Amino acid sequence: SQTIHQWPATLVQPVGSPLSLECTVEGTSNPNLYWYRQAAGRGLQLLFYSVGIGQISSEVPQNLSASRPQDRQFILSSKKLLLSDSGFYLCAWGISGHTEAFFGQGTRLTVV
Amino acid sequence: KQEVTQIPAALSVPEGENLVLNCSFTDSAIYNLQWFRQDPGKGLTSLLLIQSSQREQTSGRLNASLDKSSGRSTLYIAASQPGDSATYLCAVTGNYGQNFVFGPGTRLSVLP
Repeated sequence: SQTIHQWPATLVQPVGSPLSLECTVEGTSNPNLYWYRQAAGRGLQLLFYSVGIGQISSEVPQNLSASRPQDRQFILSSKKLLLSDSGFYLCAWGISGHTEAFFGQGTRLTVV
Repeated sequence: KQEVTQIPAALSVPEGENLVLNCSFTDSAIYNLQWFRQDPGKGLTSLLLIQSSQREQTSGRLNASLDKSSGRSTLYIAASQPGDSATYLCAVTGNYGQNFVFGPGTRLSVLP
């Protein structure tokens, strides 16, 4: 069966520090991978998606970047965090954009 | 641009009641619609996926319907239980691409 792992579960980082959040998927090949952010009191916002290794599409301009160094690994990064980067970050996968999506357990990021 | 809304924003009911959650979307050219459950501080759990050619899907006490032409979906929960307390989100994908567009969610509280 397929599983998705996301870590860390919680993270507190100072303003200006770098960020690296990792997501891996097991039990499937060539999945579509997604990073979403859920700000307090707001809906989920798609940040990045990837249909293959090295292929990254960005949905909104921001202080973040994403990379897919391996088929089932998706990384969300920042060189210098801003206070506004605080939120709940969720990784997800699907066979394609038109099938069921499955989510990780999320990372609560607090920038102080 | 696709927009998804959910009504009500919050709902509190006594245990045992049947209830309906509503989801509306502005662009009827969707490929599928998915209902999720999110417990506080956790990731999303997929409940039901309805393809655009389908009218409804059922899983246990849950029944989701889709009226694509009117841009609406409902999630019916029968005989509600305190364990059903969570935030329920709907999301749609369109023929335009790979991405889910989420509604803001309905926060459900089932009182024992």
